[in-house]
Amino acid sequence: SQQGEEDPQALSIQEGENATMNCSYKTSINNLQWYRQNSGRGLVHLILIRSNEREKHSGRLRVTLDTSKKSSSLLITASRAADTASYFCATDSNNDMRFGAGTRLTVKP
Amino acid sequence: NAGVTQTPKFQVLKTGQSMTLQCAQDMNHNSMYWYRQDPGMGLRLIYYSASEGTTDKGEVPNGYNVSRLNKREFSLRLESAAPSQTSVYFCASSERGVSYGYTFGSGTRLTVV
Repeated sequence: SQQGEEDPQALSIQEGENATMNCSYKTSINNLQWYRQNSGRGLVHLILIRSNEREKHSGRLRVTLDTSKKSSSLLITASRAADTASYFCATDSNNDMRFGAGTRLTVKP
Repeated sequence: NAGVTQTPKFQVLKTGQSMTLQCAQDMNHNSMYWYRQDPGMGLRLIYYSASEGTTDKGEVPNGYNVSRLNKREFSLRLESAAPSQTSVYFCASSERGVSYGYTFGSGTRLTVV
């Protein structure tokens, strides 16, 4: 069964806009990770945030974690057409990592 | 190039046939994983190997077997393929298990007819 659930399932924006994706989960976690998957390819690790962290940045990516609400968000700033992909959150609890069903992001040029 | 290599990339099987999916990593990672990805369901863990010589069942192990041949290689075998096993299969590896980011292969698209 999935642990993380991404919202929205699909998101379409114009190039230059910001994209925000959310992930909710059910049980306590050790860390939460975000991955990107381009069509027909494997997943690529983007960022990991530990349960004792609240915010993390990596380039144009900003991830927040609210353990009290059991939720995380991924913000991509100044989006580009190359950011078009599916984005997955994955939660690590008790050495068991579970992936959500993903958010499909389309960035229109 | 460092990474995870999966073979084959595509395969069509008839119901009841067997096959082995191969996975090799050259990053000296201890842990390796096999996932399947079905539309709308994200990735589900089939089997994993926390270290050379050990394997454990994941969320959906039925119909599959695995072998951790050495530190580099982790194979997935379907003994008698069923249409329900039509999926995209991904192999992944990580340095020390789930607390570190995974490196994924490019996947094997399997169709069972």
